[in-house]
Amino acid sequence: DAKTTQPPSMDCAEGRAANLPCNHSTISGNEYVYWYRQIHSQGPQYIIHGLKNNETNEMASLIITEDRKSSTLILPHATLRDTAVYYCIALSNSGYALNFGKGTSLLVTP
Amino acid sequence: GAGVSQSPSNKVTEKGKDVELRCDPISGHTALYWYRQRLGQGLEFLIYFQGNSAPDKSGLPSDRFSAERTGESVSTLTIQRTQQEDSAVYLCASSLTRVWAKNIQYFGAGTRLSVL
Repeated sequence: DAKTTQPPSMDCAEGRAANLPCNHSTISGNEYVYWYRQIHSQGPQYIIHGLKNNETNEMASLIITEDRKSSTLILPHATLRDTAVYYCIALSNSGYALNFGKGTSLLVTP
Repeated sequence: GAGVSQSPSNKVTEKGKDVELRCDPISGHTALYWYRQRLGQGLEFLIYFQGNSAPDKSGLPSDRFSAERTGESVSTLTIQRTQQEDSAVYLCASSLTRVWAKNIQYFGAGTRLSVL
């Protein structure tokens, strides 16, 4: 699985968009980009995933660059409940082990 | 229906004792995973069960760790002769097995294990 790199922490004001970047410069053609988050003392929660097209669901949007070397998770209107650690991983359909690294700790402030 | 259920939520044990952790996956999910998360760290894959196939045990850190699954339901993770470095949150997840859904995993709240 391709290595991913994320900033250790970010702040965002409540109601504003939170844009969380992820670098995956060695991603291969059959690897998807997955995003999960983990709210304090809870299990991880799936957010969204994509291969090369931008994706949107009820939780977030995922923007993947054309060369697929990086992506951005967008929470369009962050709330205090979005304060969590966000993990970006690259995984092919034949893989299944979610070996998260340190992720990005997002703090949403009032 | 209900989500992934893990028990106990907390377990305190003495070094050298055996512990057994339980996971009830989402009904209909034939894939089941165990992970470990040390304090302040990311997830560490332990083992993967897929239907009746042989489990992938490649992530188990030592032969003190073992896991079983009864059919496509309950799984237990057993740690024998616990050591202080086994202290962590043990997370269980389940998913559908269709190729496109396999990596959309649903997690339980975890069992926090403390070895004194």
